[in-house]
Amino acid sequence: DIQMTQSPSSLSASAGDSVTITCRASQSIGRYLHWFQQKPGKAPKLLIYATSTLQSGVPSRFSGSGSGTDFTLSISSLQPEDFASYFCQQSFSIPRTFGQGTKVEIK
Amino acid sequence: QVQLQESGPGLVKPPETLSLTCTVSGGSVNSASYYWSWIRQPPGKGLEWIGYIYYSGSTNYNPSLKSRVSMSLDTSKNQFSLKLTSVTPADTAVYFCAREHLFYSESSQDVFDIWGQGTKVTVSS
Repeated sequence: DIQMTQSPSSLSASAGDSVTITCRASQSIGRYLHWFQQKPGKAPKLLIYATSTLQSGVPSRFSGSGSGTDFTLSISSLQPEDFASYFCQQSFSIPRTFGQGTKVEIK
Repeated sequence: QVQLQESGPGLVKPPETLSLTCTVSGGSVNSASYYWSWIRQPPGKGLEWIGYIYYSGSTNYNPSLKSRVSMSLDTSKNQFSLKLTSVTPADTAVYFCAREHLFYSESSQDVFDIWGQGTKVTVSS
């Protein structure tokens, strides 16, 4: 199985800050990497697919980059609605695997 | 607009069988474009992929659960289902059904683009 490791597991930030979340794969996955946002009690929502393509309707303050084993999700100018958990997921191989999540909290 | 909705018991006794159904509305499970998937999330933890069923009936399961999992498809009801046998408290989780869209958009990648709201299942005697 491909292990997906996210860092940090949580972070505190203020509205207007920029943050970066890192996701590392245990082996090369090309660009088969997607990011989800999850709010408490809700289903995950697709934010970015194929490393860097924004899902329709997702604000441009979200961006993704990387390839191989190292990937990042960046959020510029955090908005109140961005405080949530974020998960990465690889679709390079079966079983699909997810990072353990990063909780973005209000400072 | 396609929507997915999970249903099933919220409490299961060990070592019984957990059974959940996902009803698809606004689209058809009888499509070659999607894997119909189950994913779970234990309390306070990350997401675990359980497996998928394809419109043809073929399946693929997480090796960690393979001996206990089965999935089925009911095209007449536009539903797909999950059975997990011999449950223990470690199977307590929110269970999501999700659509994995094959070759999503121009990416040529498989993407979980639609999720159900999730259903909480507690395993306890």
